[in-house]
Amino acid sequence: QVQLVQSGGGVVQPGRSLRLSCTASGFTFQNYAMHWVRQAPGKGLEWVAIIAHDGGNKNYADSVKGRFTISRDNSKNTLYLQMNSLRTEDMAVYFCARSPGWAQYYFDLWGQGALVTVSS
Amino acid sequence: VLTQSPGTLSLSPGERATLSCRASQTVTFKYVAWYQQKPGQAPRLLIYGSSSRATGVPDRFSGSGSGTDFTLTISRLEPEDFAVYYCQQYGSSPWTFGQGTRLEIK
Repeated sequence: QVQLVQSGGGVVQPGRSLRLSCTASGFTFQNYAMHWVRQAPGKGLEWVAIIAHDGGNKNYADSVKGRFTISRDNSKNTLYLQMNSLRTEDMAVYFCARSPGWAQYYFDLWGQGALVTVSS
Repeated sequence: VLTQSPGTLSLSPGERATLSCRASQTVTFKYVAWYQQKPGQAPRLLIYGSSSRATGVPDRFSGSGSGTDFTLTISRLEPEDFAVYYCQQYGSSPWTFGQGTRLEIK
């Protein structure tokens, strides 16, 4: 079954760190660029970060640049998002998502989402 | 910036729904996608490349448009179509979404 299964959400204090994981199955993970997209409570969708299929290229939204790091381990079919210096405005459901091909940066497969709550 | 209208659309099953997405500048290669999201769920891809239906999407969903104006049309609403719909441009980074249109039962 083609799917992305997420883990790692939770409650964290402002300024602290958290790591999200997203494990792929049912497709050749190493062939696809992967993204993180987030959704604040009751709000719309915001793209967060992208990593190329081989991990060679990464890009970030300005709102998280310098604080978040996207990475992947193709041997484990797993995508990561390391979130440091968390702020209250980072509180959201975080989705991992797959892009189907080069320059085709829409999202054809999504994880179930992981809630990150930033609160003291 | 992508601006979706209307913010909320109230229609009855069987009716036709027309959702609009306007970009602040031309979207390269018609690189616009549409997603459906139901409460507590991840978004679901409906349309990519402005008018191509994703796998498994019913043909009552269609997309059109070019330049700065794009449209998602649902020809005859089914009860399961009532949800929030987002457009997304992927012609240039950062890839951005519209604020969403809520389609509710009248």
